[in-house]
Amino acid sequence: DSGVTQTPKHLITATGQRVTLRCSPRSGDLSVYWYQQSLDQGLQFLIQYYNGEERAKGNILERFSAQQFPDLHSELNLSSLELGDSALYFCASSEQGTYGYTFGSGTRLTVV
Amino acid sequence: AQSVTQPDIHITVSEGASLELRCNYSYGATPYLFWYVQSPGQGLQLLLKYFSGDTLVQGIKGFEAEFKRSQSSFNLRKPSVHWSDAAEYFCAVGAMNSGGYQKVTFGIGTKLQVIP
Repeated sequence: DSGVTQTPKHLITATGQRVTLRCSPRSGDLSVYWYQQSLDQGLQFLIQYYNGEERAKGNILERFSAQQFPDLHSELNLSSLELGDSALYFCASSEQGTYGYTFGSGTRLTVV
Repeated sequence: AQSVTQPDIHITVSEGASLELRCNYSYGATPYLFWYVQSPGQGLQLLLKYFSGDTLVQGIKGFEAEFKRSQSSFNLRKPSVHWSDAAEYFCAVGAMNSGGYQKVTFGIGTKLQVIP
């Protein structure tokens, strides 16, 4: 157990739908990062939050959004889902001023 | 901008043989370098990291990596591979900005197959 918790582990939904992925960072970590991993794109950085504030954006689609709550958990919202959104979505956390991330075990999203 | 190249997408080695996974990075300053391992259906686990100092870094599970600035490389090695090492390995380069926020860029990964 890495200390980073992601739920749900698996999600199957239809095109056009909206889903929410949840992440609880490791205790004491203020930064949360979201990554998408697909077969053809590899590991793509989506977005970073630090203590509730957005800090960096990567290749995140406009249909996707995220937030980090006062208790530091984060949610990634994916809407108007397309078949191409099927992927593993990882959350990672880190302490400020330290290097390296701790990853959760991911949420596997399948859009049918 | 930082970038990472892992030139080998797939590598097959025999159990007990030595292993070297290649990684080249591009970054303007002193890099922070990582190797992660991902087993099927699992998240990424940190194997080792390099920030400064000794260029030969020891990690978990018997892995080591050597930082070579002149070659912009950070290759991962293991003297004797076990069947349980079959996984996907990611090299990554990190940078920290003045506000203490880090950005880590991952390579595309190398899938390791171990044969008996």
